[in-house]
Amino acid sequence: QKEVEQNSGPLSVPEGAIASLNCTYSDRGSQSFFWYRQYSGKSPELIMFIYSNGDKEDGRFTAQLNKASQYVSLLIRDSQPSDSATYLCAVNPGYNAGNMLTFGGGTRLMVKP
Amino acid sequence: GAGVSQSPRYKVAKRGQDVALRCDPISGHVSLFWYQQALGQGPEFLTYFQNEAQLDKSGLPSDRFFAERPEGSVSTLKIQRTQQEDSAVYLCASSPREYNEQFFGPGTRLTVL
Repeated sequence: QKEVEQNSGPLSVPEGAIASLNCTYSDRGSQSFFWYRQYSGKSPELIMFIYSNGDKEDGRFTAQLNKASQYVSLLIRDSQPSDSATYLCAVNPGYNAGNMLTFGGGTRLMVKP
Repeated sequence: GAGVSQSPRYKVAKRGQDVALRCDPISGHVSLFWYQQALGQGPEFLTYFQNEAQLDKSGLPSDRFFAERPEGSVSTLKIQRTQQEDSAVYLCASSPREYNEQFFGPGTRLTVL
């Protein structure tokens, strides 16, 4: 079993809809969680990070964390075709710099005009 | 300011050749990470430096892989006697001392023929 699991997709949503991307992780001691966006042929770009249970909002993006359920999600409101990309969930065992990230396989999102 | 840079962006090697991949982290970033990303998968950790010290090399797949960061800035990932299974994108990421968000360079796409 992979340590960080994501549905590979593709997840297809119409323009203007809410896209919901999900991620589960196996290490109950994990402390910090990251969402990266990766366009085809490009490198991962940090979108959001979350450390505490609950919701964290940044513009059209909301990250949700539930440590008891070992579940983290990313909501994208008012989805745009430019949001079409692969979204990578990454988990860090601690808060401090110097810890490696464990990535899921990514979910491919397609936003249709 | 400038982000993480990597060179070369593309490298084609014949099986058995040695290759060297370079990473220039964001200025002042203490932590530097190397990841390997196979097609259609999430990045996988290779090794980590804090300044010039290599603190974790548990992800290096074999003793053909070697990384260094002699002056605590630029890092080089060297692969000796390349094999076809080494074909992947090699990503470098850096993070500052204060927090653990990692910022990725554009990657080097290695193709071993």
